[in-house]
Amino acid sequence: EIVLTQSPGTLSLSPGERATLSCRASQSVSSSYLAWYQQKPGQAPRLLIHGASSRATGIPDRFSGSGSGTDFTLTISRLEPEDFAMYYCQQYDSSPRTFGQGTKLEIK
Amino acid sequence: QVQLVESGGGLVKPGGSLRLSCTASGFTFSDYYMSWIRQAPGKGLEWVSYISSSGSIIYYADSVKGRFTISRDNAKNSLYLQMNSLRAEDTAVYYCARGSLCPGSWGQGTLVTVSS
Repeated sequence: EIVLTQSPGTLSLSPGERATLSCRASQSVSSSYLAWYQQKPGQAPRLLIHGASSRATGIPDRFSGSGSGTDFTLTISRLEPEDFAMYYCQQYDSSPRTFGQGTKLEIK
Repeated sequence: QVQLVESGGGLVKPGGSLRLSCTASGFTFSDYYMSWIRQAPGKGLEWVSYISSSGSIIYYADSVKGRFTISRDNAKNSLYLQMNSLRAEDTAVYYCARGSLCPGSWGQGTLVTVSS
């Protein structure tokens, strides 16, 4: 099973700042089968990024993903008030599909 | 637009059973793998099960293997999860999701609470 470890656990920033979230895999995720999701309280997760760096339909270009192998990053270039939420990475290279434990992005 | 609506959640005693349903619309249901993913209160996400478009390929997480059964009825655009021998640790919001890789469409979830 591929274990995904996200850091930091909580990130406190202000609107307009840049956010950098990390996801590290316990073994290489081939073909960059890595996705990122945003989840707000009481809502289902929303797919942001797939294939490590491809934005899902309708996702603003302030969201970008990068990385390969075992190290992946989600960057939000300029935080908007609606971006404060939980973020999860997920690998779909192998079964079981696994998620990271999440990073909470909170307003400073 | 794609819509997934779960139903069937509720309060059940340990050892009991429950059947979740997910009704799909806005896409050709029979073309897609479908999944159940759960989230315990205040916790992260866990992939429970997925099923291929024809139903011939099925995956279960080790935590539910032998207790849960996923199925689908393509004529009714519906996905199901039969949950038996429920345990307290199965308490979670259960989401229906389109696909088995990185789902872009999720339902709103249905809460299952296992408690005496």
